[in-house]
Amino acid sequence: DTGVSQDPRHKITKRGQNVTFRCDPISEHNRLYWYRQTLGQGPEFLTYFQNEAQLEKSRLLSDRFSAERPKGSFSTLEIQRTEQGDSAMYLCASSLPGGDPEQYFGPGTRLTVT
Amino acid sequence: AQTVTQSQPEMSVQEAETVTLSCTYDTSESNYYLFWYKQPPSRQMILVIRQEAYKQQNATENRFSVNFQKAAKSFSLKISDSQLGDTAMYFCAFIYTGTASKLTFGTGTRLQVTL
Repeated sequence: DTGVSQDPRHKITKRGQNVTFRCDPISEHNRLYWYRQTLGQGPEFLTYFQNEAQLEKSRLLSDRFSAERPKGSFSTLEIQRTEQGDSAMYLCASSLPGGDPEQYFGPGTRLTVT
Repeated sequence: AQTVTQSQPEMSVQEAETVTLSCTYDTSESNYYLFWYKQPPSRQMILVIRQEAYKQQNATENRFSVNFQKAAKSFSLKISDSQLGDTAMYFCAFIYTGTASKLTFGTGTRLQVTL
């Protein structure tokens, strides 16, 4: 399977704990995106990387959130001191270089904070 | 800032029938793309169809077609010969071509195809 992969698919954590999610984009894609989707809503943009550079961050990405893409390949999204409001589906997407805007999505990581 | 509005939270259609999902958007940009994405239950989001704003001709992909009205900022999706596998959430999305970065999504329409 050469699509976008995300790990884990599901995560249950207690409030106050830290969690980290991983995204592996399609291999030739240099752009990587993180979105958050809450129940009954469309995905909301969190942040965007081109290669290893983080080029844009949403104001939704509070100080408790950090994303990295150290070698321009996989990316991690960490949430520190989780809150119940962080419960959501976290989606990763990737796209080709050269300006083609189509984004290919992974299956998502569903986070439940108890 | 761009906004995307989908005013139909849920729709139902019988198998083999035709259904149209509505989407309106607001932007001051002139160069952009519009997309319809499909998100089946517990499965990942996939692209259904795309439309470049500078193209006047409406996009078609097999049973899926769009009605793009740029002046009215309207972008509806028509599904012909509906199949049970079309049951899913459908999201309308906008992206500005200047940066080709974030997609702005609507709230989605849940489509149920029935026998």
